[in-house]
Amino acid sequence: GQNIDQPTEMTATEGAIVQINCTYQTSGFNGLFWYQQHAGEAPTFLSYNVLDGLEEKGRFSSFLSRSKGYSYLLLKELQMKDSASYLCAVSPWGNQAGTALIFGKGTTLSVSS
Amino acid sequence: NAGVTQTPKFRILKIGQSMTLQCTQDMNHNYMYWYRQDPGMGLKLIYYSVGAGITDKGEVPNGYNVSRSTTEDFPLRLELAAPSQTSVYFCASLAVDEQFFGPGTRLTVL
Repeated sequence: GQNIDQPTEMTATEGAIVQINCTYQTSGFNGLFWYQQHAGEAPTFLSYNVLDGLEEKGRFSSFLSRSKGYSYLLLKELQMKDSASYLCAVSPWGNQAGTALIFGKGTTLSVSS
Repeated sequence: NAGVTQTPKFRILKIGQSMTLQCTQDMNHNYMYWYRQDPGMGLKLIYYSVGAGITDKGEVPNGYNVSRSTTEDFPLRLELAAPSQTSVYFCASLAVDEQFFGPGTRLTVL
């Protein structure tokens, strides 16, 4: 079966660093995605990892270890606007299912001042 | 570009009614998807399409139907609405390695 696990909730303060972990067990692997979703809005793309290692994009970084089935999203210099749900998603089927995604349940991050 | 647009934004249905959720993208993407998102749950794939005239089932297709007559449009049909279909529905299209999501349709079945 397909399974993606991530913590349900996390809290942090402005200016801090937070790491959101994601572990996955899927039938195949063609990439791991992180999306940000503010309440009542659509998910927006943050990052994509297909090879092991760290991808950095401004205040956000994403890490992947395929052998461990593990990824994390690192958010630096937290701001109040970073309060949102962060969705980990895996593309398990490659071209067989149009690169559709399996999503975790999301991690709700609350940033306080 | 408007990106991915969905209508309506909100809808309340009675049990047994039918409706079509509209989805349109103007980015000429071949791949399109329908997901549903229930509170506290991840997005679940309902149907997907790899191009005009080609559709296939995702994880949770029961109670839904789709069609893809053009590249731009990918409507989702509910024939006999049930309370279990109360959810937020997102349409998405794919560009290389990024899925673009529409703003969603919040559907309540009473």
